[in-house]
Amino acid sequence: DTGVSQDPRHKITKRGQNVTFRCDPISEHNRLYWYRQTLGQGPEFLTYFQNEAQLEKSRLLSDRFSAERPKGSFSTLEIQRTEQGDSAMYLCASSLWDLELFFGEGSRLTVL
Amino acid sequence: SQQGEEDPQALSIQEGENATMNCSYKTSINNLQWYRQNSGRGLVHLILIRSNEREKHSGRLRVTLDTSKKSSSLLITASRAADTASYFCATSQGAAGNKLTFGGGTRVLVKP
Repeated sequence: DTGVSQDPRHKITKRGQNVTFRCDPISEHNRLYWYRQTLGQGPEFLTYFQNEAQLEKSRLLSDRFSAERPKGSFSTLEIQRTEQGDSAMYLCASSLWDLELFFGEGSRLTVL
Repeated sequence: SQQGEEDPQALSIQEGENATMNCSYKTSINNLQWYRQNSGRGLVHLILIRSNEREKHSGRLRVTLDTSKKSSSLLITASRAADTASYFCATSQGAAGNKLTFGGGTRVLVKP
């Protein structure tokens, strides 16, 4: 059973660098979500796709953040010109329509 | 801002005891879901309760929903050390494509 996979699991970068995270959802799932989680807090919604269409973006997603899901399969989340405040766990999840979300293990970003 | 707020923020119990945590939310919902997260890992879906349901069971889990009070509770019976984790409630509102809004979580420690 291949669940949601995220890569890389950990990323350490210097402030000002760009980073990209990849998410491979469960293959038959049509919806894909990105969340951000900081230590001791619950996940905060960033954006979601239905197939290849990005249907909603949070106000948390500044212009430095961009997400894509070409062909409605895997997704990438890019952060440009990283800032220390971007340090967090970036979680990807997928679902089949309105059924439960299946989360990946997350990509932990540390910005020095 | 987060829709759900869990109470208590932290809970410490002995193995075999029951653990109860509560979730309050602010706006009307389609459904409410509970997730578990082990330290540094992704979230795992536990149970979903729809807005027209009042109680649901799954194994040692019992969830209640009171839409008039905009609150839910999660009961874990006969807790085990392996239940040590953070537990989050998440709500789905309106035509939001199952975009979930998470609370801050309850950190549960089950001592052997």
